[in-house]
Amino acid sequence: QKEVEQNSGPLSVPEGAIASLNCTYSDRGSQSFFWYRQYSGKSPELIMSIYSNGDKEDGRFTAQLNKASQYVSLLIRDSQPSDSATYLCAPKGATDSWGKLQFGAGTQVVVTP
Amino acid sequence: GAGVSQSPRYKVAKRGQDVALRCDPISGHVSLFWYQQALGQGPEFLTYFQNEAQLDKSGLPSDRFFAERPEGSVSTLKIQRTQKEDSAVYLCASSWKGLASYEQYFGPGTRLTVT
Repeated sequence: QKEVEQNSGPLSVPEGAIASLNCTYSDRGSQSFFWYRQYSGKSPELIMSIYSNGDKEDGRFTAQLNKASQYVSLLIRDSQPSDSATYLCAPKGATDSWGKLQFGAGTQVVVTP
Repeated sequence: GAGVSQSPRYKVAKRGQDVALRCDPISGHVSLFWYQQALGQGPEFLTYFQNEAQLDKSGLPSDRFFAERPEGSVSTLKIQRTQKEDSAVYLCASSWKGLASYEQYFGPGTRLTVT
């Protein structure tokens, strides 16, 4: 079992709709969670961080965390073609005090006009 | 301010050659990470520096891989006797490790192709 699981996609989303991305992780002690966006041929770009159970909103992005279920999600509202990218989920391991991240393989999102 | 920079952006090496990849982190960032990303996969941790100290090198795939950060700023990842399986994108990330709680910012990466 992989430590971080994401649906690989592609997730096809009509322009203007909500894209919903899911991530499960195996390290029960993880406390910090990050979402990165990666355009094809580019490096990961940090878009959201979340540390507490519940929702965190930033613009069109909402991250949701449920530590009991070991589940974190990302919602993209009013999806735009520029949101087409791979989204990487990255929990910080509980035993890594300096912040080593475990990345999922990513979910590819395709927003269709 | 300036972000993380890496050089070269692309490197083609013949099998058996040594390569050196450079990372210049965001000014003032204490923590520096190297990751390796294969096509279609998420980044995989290689090694971590806090200032000049290499605190974790558990992800280095073999003793052909070596990293240093002698003055606590610029870091170099060296790969000796490159093999085809070393072909990947090598990403450097830096973090302040302060109130931002481990948020890491990536450089553009170096794409290494071993022929």
